[in-house]
Amino acid sequence: EVQLLESGGGLVQPGGSLRLSCAASGFSFRDYAMHWVRQAPGKGLEWVSVISGSSASTYYADSVKGRFTVSRDNSKKTLYLQMNSLRAEDTAVYYCAKVFSIAVVTDDAFDFWGQGTMVTVSA
Amino acid sequence: DIQMTQSPPSLSASVGDRVTITCRAGQSISTFLNWYKQKPGKAPNLLIYAASSLQSGVPSRFRGSGSGTDFTLTITNLQPDDLATYYCQQSYSSPLTFGGGTKLEIK
Repeated sequence: EVQLLESGGGLVQPGGSLRLSCAASGFSFRDYAMHWVRQAPGKGLEWVSVISGSSASTYYADSVKGRFTVSRDNSKKTLYLQMNSLRAEDTAVYYCAKVFSIAVVTDDAFDFWGQGTMVTVSA
Repeated sequence: DIQMTQSPPSLSASVGDRVTITCRAGQSISTFLNWYKQKPGKAPNLLIYAASSLQSGVPSRFRGSGSGTDFTLTITNLQPDDLATYYCQQSYSSPLTFGGGTKLEIK
């Protein structure tokens, strides 16, 4: 059974940093690109970032480029999102999501999602 | 960025009804269009991928269609469990973008 479990969320002051983790199980983690998607309170879904299975390719939304860094440790089957220079508008539930197909990075659906971790940026 | 526009933003229907949600892309995305269902307080679930392919385990009451810029999600024989917000998403090009969502209420 595929499982994705996010952790690391919490309350942080504007300008602060936080690292999110997503522990994966039930599939060959190294074979799949992984994404981060966020959802501000009461709002819709916003794609944040993606990393390929080998970590060779990474892409970011313009809203987080230069501030967030996605990475993964395939030996630990864990995805990360390092978030720096956090702003109030980064407040959201952050989901990790697995792509549907092996070796596809961006042009694919998300077939499994974690339960999400809440990040609140406030003084 | 490819803009995704969903309509209506909300709708109310009765058990047993048929409902249709539309999604329009700002440019042609072929069939790189996916549909998700999000129940309150939960993560989204994939319903339809590649515009018309039913995800495993999803009831056949859900049907997706369309290509290019215009897509539809049709739900037949509406059930109480269908209460949710539905999102379309394009996977044609980065940045991946979602529609604004359609909140479905059951009368």
